Amino acid sequence: GAVVSQHPSWVICKSGTSVKIECRSLDFQATTMFWYRQFPKQSLMLMATSNEGSKATYEQGVEKDKFLINHASLTLSTLTVTSAHPEDSSFYICSAPRPTSGRSDTQYFGPGTRLTVL
Amino acid sequence: LAKTTQPISMDSYEGQEVNITCSHNNIATNDYITWYQQFPSQGPRFIIQGYKTKVTNEVASLFIPADRKSSTLSLPRVSLSDTAVYYCLAPGNMLTFGGGTRLMVKP
Repeated sequence: GAVVSQHPSWVICKSGTSVKIECRSLDFQATTMFWYRQFPKQSLMLMATSNEGSKATYEQGVEKDKFLINHASLTLSTLTVTSAHPEDSSFYICSAPRPTSGRSDTQYFGPGTRLTVL
Repeated sequence: LAKTTQPISMDSYEGQEVNITCSHNNIATNDYITWYQQFPSQGPRFIIQGYKTKVTNEVASLFIPADRKSSTLSLPRVSLSDTAVYYCLAPGNMLTFGGGTRLMVKP
């Protein structure tokens, strides 16, 4: 069964509005979670690392003021796309390290959230 | 970070064995090699991970030569449902996805 969930699975919004995407680890705690973006026919691009209780770490070229990340608990990270525009339309995926592996390169991925900005 | 290179696409037929090779020439001593599978509009799914020689699980086998500069994912007797994109990662402590290999299994 799914061990990382995302909500919503899809969302359509108007340009200029903000959208919040939730990522939850089920039955395990994750002090770190990762957020990715994937455009059609392309690979996953790491956007940021979400750290419980501290600021997120953003990859080069990702606007931290546009993509707000909050990791308020050990099982929940949220990504808020602020003032969304059509070019932000994408598939957003989160992940959390598998607790049994002890390695951050072995991840459980969420099912993804399809964002469409009109 | 170790950069990975794998074929963009592969075609196969049901029942065949499929081998996807990934090169990671600059792999670090502590790096493991990890493979993920992704279906359209879904998050990637962990398939297998290894450090050296051979690893096998219920889904696939992973072959890693002694120099660890490449690895081969082997999928036995593929079915139509194995049509997906397969990613090889050898990133150290971070997840960096390369282009992946788009496998098409035909009837």
